[in-house]
Amino acid sequence: EVQLVESGGGLVQPGGSLRISCAASGFTLNNYWMHWVRQAPGKGLVWFAHISNDGRTTYADFAKGRFTISRDTAQNTLYLQMNSLRGEDTAVYYCARGGHNYALDYWGQGTRVTVS
Amino acid sequence: DIQLTQSPSSLSAFVGDRVTITCRASQRISNYLNWYQQKPGKAPTLLITGASSLQGGVPSRFSGSGSGTDFTLTISSLQPEDFAAYYCQQSYISWTFGQGTKVEVK
Repeated sequence: EVQLVESGGGLVQPGGSLRISCAASGFTLNNYWMHWVRQAPGKGLVWFAHISNDGRTTYADFAKGRFTISRDTAQNTLYLQMNSLRGEDTAVYYCARGGHNYALDYWGQGTRVTVS
Repeated sequence: DIQLTQSPSSLSAFVGDRVTITCRASQRISNYLNWYQQKPGKAPTLLITGASSLQGGVPSRFSGSGSGTDFTLTISSLQPEDFAAYYCQQSYISWTFGQGTKVEVK
């Protein structure tokens, strides 16, 4: 069974850093494209980072230079390093697996990040 | 960047109603359009890929259509468990979500 479990969210001060994790099971992480999507309180879904199976990364403009997506194949875990955090980064952060037609076919339960 | 505009932003409907949500892309995206359902406090789930292909386990009352710039999600007979937010997403160039449509009980 495919499972994605995020962890590492919490309260961080403006200007601070945080690394959140997404532990994958039921599949091999580096055989798939993986994504990070966030959702601010009461708002919609926003895609912002992707890593391909060959390690290429892409970011939404607001994430470039501050956020870094990476993975540990031995741990089968996806990471998101977030630096220079701002109040507007407050959101639930979801990891998701890329599937057919480049859709996001499996999602984690999300981890909440509060910048205050 | 490709923008997606969903309409309406919200709607109220009765159980049993036919519901249609539209999604318009700012440029042609072939059929690289996906639909998601999100219930409060939960992660999104994938309903439809490639504009019209139903994911496994998704009830057949859900259907999708369209190509190019204009797409539609239809729920043929709304059920109590369908009251949720729905998002379109393009995967033609990078990834973008529409702003969402909230389907509420009338």
